[in-house]
Amino acid sequence: DAKTTQPPSMDCAEGRAANLPCNHSTISGNEYVYWYRQIHSQGPQYIIHGLKNNETNEMASLIITEDRKSSTLILPHATLRDTAVYYCIVIYGNTPLVFGKGTRLSVIA
Amino acid sequence: EAGVAQSPRYKIIEKRQSVAFWCNPISGHATLYWYQQILGQGPKLLIQFQNNGVVDDSQLPKDRFSAERLKGVDSTLKIQPAKLEDSAVYLCASSLDIGFEKLFFGSGTQLSVL
Repeated sequence: DAKTTQPPSMDCAEGRAANLPCNHSTISGNEYVYWYRQIHSQGPQYIIHGLKNNETNEMASLIITEDRKSSTLILPHATLRDTAVYYCIVIYGNTPLVFGKGTRLSVIA
Repeated sequence: EAGVAQSPRYKIIEKRQSVAFWCNPISGHATLYWYQQILGQGPKLLIQFQNNGVVDDSQLPKDRFSAERLKGVDSTLKIQPAKLEDSAVYLCASSLDIGFEKLFFGSGTQLSVL
């Protein structure tokens, strides 16, 4: 079972920042937070992951709260191509990814 | 860099028929996964291979599903006989090794069982 809670859907205006929340209140100290997204008719795509510190790459930023019980994925300037289902996943070590239902992000022109 | 290749892209069969899906992972990737994604849900792991050995097949319905990864490269997933509830997208993914949870997914095979 997924260890995370995400809102089922969100809207974001094109060009604005999209902030996708994820609750993982039962996360343990050695579990990582991973984010994937799935654009329609495609397989999931890795976005970013982190343990304790905030992370940034060319796609997004990941902000993890100090108590690690929640995190936020930030797409700084959302485009129509960012419309997708976003999955927040908590895993330990070499355990396989377990996907929940994710958040359906709609970027609106 | 070539991605994960899957075929066929679509398949329509009648219940009780057999079907097979093929996956070619990214070159050099030791770990290969098959996921099942039912409409409206997130992908569900069916089986995980490390090279040509099975790491986890606890969620594979072994009475009708089988998978192999001969020579530790390509993989085939088979359903025999298919049921209506097997209608789903079957996704193959690969990663460099166990513990590298940056997975690369193929586009999947959409199966419709009538």
